[in-house]
Amino acid sequence: KAGVTQTPRYLIKTRGQQVTLSCSPISGHRSVSWYQQTPGQGLQFLFEYFSETQRNKGNFPGRFSGRQFSNSRSEMNVSTLELGDSALYLCASSLGGSQLYSNQPQHFGDGTRLSIL
Amino acid sequence: AQSVTQLDSQVPVFEEAPVELRCNYSSSVSVYLFWYVQYPNQGLQLLLKYLSGSTLVESINGFEAEFNKSQTSFHLRKPSVHISDTAEYFCALSNTGGFKTIFGAGTRLFVKA
Repeated sequence: KAGVTQTPRYLIKTRGQQVTLSCSPISGHRSVSWYQQTPGQGLQFLFEYFSETQRNKGNFPGRFSGRQFSNSRSEMNVSTLELGDSALYLCASSLGGSQLYSNQPQHFGDGTRLSIL
Repeated sequence: AQSVTQLDSQVPVFEEAPVELRCNYSSSVSVYLFWYVQYPNQGLQLLLKYLSGSTLVESINGFEAEFNKSQTSFHLRKPSVHISDTAEYFCALSNTGGFKTIFGAGTRLFVKA
């Protein structure tokens, strides 16, 4: 079974640009979560999608957005990039669904390392 | 509100010595608890989980964690560490009915020869 795939692995952008990151979950997983990881702030939750709907959102500005497609693949977009957006962006998938699935662990991709110049 | 606190940001230890990585949590409802490990330039991998039943859970590579409800802790232990255990370890929780996993700040384990 293929794992969670994130593309691209590395990305370099300049301030003011926008970027789109992609995540393909494990087959059969319907929940996709996004995290930002930095040395200073650690692992911070961005948002979670299930069945094309955003179910949870972290405390990030509106420049950070996401979506999920009918095949459960997800994208996140960051507009008007700032230097502080440099980070490792991790995607994680799980079965999701009802309360019965809240005990399922998350399966992470290897992340997209975004550098802002 | 729920939270996870990892009490040590870095833990240096010599090879073959025992180690304990501490994790405390706060929640008003029942929780599921997880430990994840992250090696350099990789995503997080599940190490072990506590869902219910026996309070002592083990991983395939010698780690174990004990759920202690009265102390709201889920400390990770290994009796003898290897150089290859050098990584960052994250404690996490989710709760019944919740759709969000809350992670601790992480503990960097350095195993020295």
